[in-house]
Amino acid sequence: EAGVTQFPSHSVIEKGQTVTLRCDPISGHDNLYWYRRVMGKEIKFLLHFVKESKQDESGMPNNRFLAERTGGTYSTLKVQPAELEDSGVYFCASSRYVARGGETQYFGPGTRLLVL
Amino acid sequence: RKEVEQDPGPFNVPEGATVAFNCTYSNSASQSFFWYRQDCRKEPKLLMSVYSSGNEDGRFTAQLNRASQYISLLIRDSKLSDSATYLCVVKSNSNYQLIWGAGTKLIIKP
Repeated sequence: EAGVTQFPSHSVIEKGQTVTLRCDPISGHDNLYWYRRVMGKEIKFLLHFVKESKQDESGMPNNRFLAERTGGTYSTLKVQPAELEDSGVYFCASSRYVARGGETQYFGPGTRLLVL
Repeated sequence: RKEVEQDPGPFNVPEGATVAFNCTYSNSASQSFFWYRQDCRKEPKLLMSVYSSGNEDGRFTAQLNRASQYISLLIRDSKLSDSATYLCVVKSNSNYQLIWGAGTKLIIKP
């Protein structure tokens, strides 16, 4: 079974540009999550999809971040315009839809974003 | 105050020794607890879930103390390959968010 994949693995952009990150979850996983780790800090939750619906987007830092999951398969996270503080590693995770507390979230390798 | 606190380390431990990490969490409503392992520049991977009664998986033992709101991880007979950052993670039942500690870095030396 293929794991969670993310593209690109690295991205270096200038402040003010736009970047779109992609996540392909494990096939059949209804839950998809985005997390972020900025340098020196702990991993932070950004948002959670159940299929194509946003279940919880309480962790999104501001309206420069837009996440979509059209069709309930892969997801994109767009940052527009990017700022210096957006630099970090963006992780995607997925899990099956089971009773709360019972799920395991499987992580992708992350996208390393550097905004100059 | 951080929701999940861990000693960042690093813990420098000789191969074969036993090492223990603790972490504390602030939200008493937390219901699920995990230890993840993260190797340098890799994604976090689930090491083990932590159950109220405590649980063991080979050389790894996890304990939960709800009254004091802390979680521990014990590694026996440490191997060079155990070198990594160990992340303490909690989750409430009100949502699916994982709340992460900043991690404890472990270095096993030959």
